[in-house]
Amino acid sequence: QQQVKQSPQSLIVQKGGISIINCAYENTAFDYFPWYQQFPGKGPALLIAIRPDVSEKKEGRFTISFNKSAKQFSLHIMDSQPGDSATYFCAASRGGGADGLTFGKGTHLIIQP
Amino acid sequence: DAGVTQSPTHLIKTRGQQVTLRCSPKSGHDTVSWYQQALGQGPQFIFQYYEEEERQRGNFPDRFSGHQFPNYSSELNVNALLLGDSALYLCASSSTGSPPVVQYFGPGTRLTVT
Repeated sequence: QQQVKQSPQSLIVQKGGISIINCAYENTAFDYFPWYQQFPGKGPALLIAIRPDVSEKKEGRFTISFNKSAKQFSLHIMDSQPGDSATYFCAASRGGGADGLTFGKGTHLIIQP
Repeated sequence: DAGVTQSPTHLIKTRGQQVTLRCSPKSGHDTVSWYQQALGQGPQFIFQYYEEEERQRGNFPDRFSGHQFPNYSSELNVNALLLGDSALYLCASSSTGSPPVVQYFGPGTRLTVT
């Protein structure tokens, strides 16, 4: 049973455009929702995270939108740059992030110059 | 700060053998989690160690076992290797405390089973 569903599987965006990746979860006990960025040959690196008591969190060009009633959350990358080309994973956890993370299958993002 | 380190970087084993992977957590962290990432997939949680005890376990068979040492470093052991165990094994460390708790990942160990 896949508890976190991520879409799209791959995404191509022009430089300067907005990249949007969506995730849906099933377990209502999840209370921590991070996004990780992974480059080839590297481990995932935390990009931004949100807790369900807020509907939106913004850090620089990256924004998480969270819809608790729909059990969905999304990552928006504004002014996308070629350096943003990577694989992005949404994840969810209980215990405010203390428990093991449940990851989506990932989105391979390509920013075309 | 060295961050999370893992060794070895790459490893090739034969089906049926046993393997041990090692992880040193980020300075100040006391909790280590292990994940398996198959090619083209998201990481899957194997288990988590805190205070030298297995605190939580994902849906992995008993062939996967671990250990945490007093200095918080950790080992992942896999017995009776199967071809399907070929993957990138990631270690993540975190610090217990008030949420949110952030897990920091190492670069991983690439295991190939032939």
